[in-house]
Amino acid sequence: DAGITQSPRHKVTETGTPVTLRCHQTENHRYMYWYRQDPGHGLRLIHYSYGVKDTDKGEVSDGYSVSRSKTEDFLLTLESATSSQTSVYFCAISEDGTGELFFGEGSRLTVL
Amino acid sequence: AQSVTQLDSQVPVFEEAPVELRCNYSSSVSVYLFWYVQYPNQGLQLLLKYLSGSTLVKGINGFEAEFNKSQTSFHLRKPSVHISDTAEYFCAVRSTGFQKLVFGTGTRLLVSP
Repeated sequence: DAGITQSPRHKVTETGTPVTLRCHQTENHRYMYWYRQDPGHGLRLIHYSYGVKDTDKGEVSDGYSVSRSKTEDFLLTLESATSSQTSVYFCAISEDGTGELFFGEGSRLTVL
Repeated sequence: AQSVTQLDSQVPVFEEAPVELRCNYSSSVSVYLFWYVQYPNQGLQLLLKYLSGSTLVKGINGFEAEFNKSQTSFHLRKPSVHISDTAEYFCAVRSTGFQKLVFGTGTRLLVSP
């Protein structure tokens, strides 16, 4: 199994508070992604990274920011969480960006 | 723009019966196509992929898919399903020249005895 660790795995927070999710990989893969999974929507790309300090937006990036200061870590930040950001968040990595992704176990976020 | 349509949100089937999960895509350029599987409370894992070459692609656990360019489809098939195949299946497309992988909304396969 690919070495991907997401933390925290579960979090409950209140509207308006900042939240940071962490994705850590031990595979030295170049590409890292953050997706959110919601019923009826499948997986939607939030942001992705194609190298250290190189990131780009996905289809649902509003309200989210990311940072990648090291190859192994990709952080997703919700500056001010809203109830619409209640979701399961998945980190994924790819060696070559072709679309073969390895996924983490997911982080379930509940915003009250 | 690229997009993926999985027409069936849920497919019930009896054990040992064949199954087909449908996937259609839209893209103006060449594509790479994927099927991922998600078991309950887990992340997704790759089932099979089409990058180029033979249009019939074989994956893990006895699954296969056929790329049909004229119909813009990539349907997933298995000749005989097991209870353990109960999971959610996602089709995904990446257009050449783009770094983003776009997923369909998923099809839940329910296998009963």
